[in-house]
Amino acid sequence: RKEVEQDPGPFNVPEGATVAFNCTYSNSASQSFFWYRQDCRKEPKLLMSVYSSGNEDGRFTAQLNRASQYISLLIRDSKLSDSATYLCVVKKSQGAQKLVFGQGTRLTINP
Amino acid sequence: ETGVTQSPTHLIKTRGQQVTLRCSSQSGHNTVSWYQQALGQGPQFIFQYYREEENGRGNFPPRFSGLQFPNYSSELNVNALELDDSALYLCASSPTSGGTDTQYFGPGTRLTVL
Repeated sequence: RKEVEQDPGPFNVPEGATVAFNCTYSNSASQSFFWYRQDCRKEPKLLMSVYSSGNEDGRFTAQLNRASQYISLLIRDSKLSDSATYLCVVKKSQGAQKLVFGQGTRLTINP
Repeated sequence: ETGVTQSPTHLIKTRGQQVTLRCSSQSGHNTVSWYQQALGQGPQFIFQYYREEENGRGNFPPRFSGLQFPNYSSELNVNALELDDSALYLCASSPTSGGTDTQYFGPGTRLTVL
């Protein structure tokens, strides 16, 4: 079983739609959680960190459920520029700062 | 953008050859991590260097090796290249080796092994 699992998609949604991504992780020692965004043939870039209390950044909302080992990302009022691959990432705070990535979920926003 | 640079951008090698990839970390960052990203997959951790010492390694064979220099730049060396080594190689720098510091990725080196 992969340490971080995501639905690979692809997700094709119309502009303005709300889209939700889910992710599960298997290592209960994971302490930090992130969503990264990766455009085609580019490097991953941090979209947002994810906290137990949930956090919001504009149209993006991230949630963490430690009991279920489940992370989510919600994008409201999607824009064409949101088209990218979204990577769910976990990290243990002890030891080497190793990021464990999910496979990524590919999102295409259609006009 | 992130201040992390990698060279070369693209590279084509044949099976059995050796390759060296380079990474310059963001100013003030003393930790460099290397990742391999195969097509359609998320990046996988290769190893991390902190103050010139290896500080953690993923599930990669010994033919993947690295170095970190006093200026905190780093190299990834891969010997006896195999076809499956074709991937995007990413380096990421961070201010420290632990804690919750964000890792900043360079643009990557795309390696093709023929």
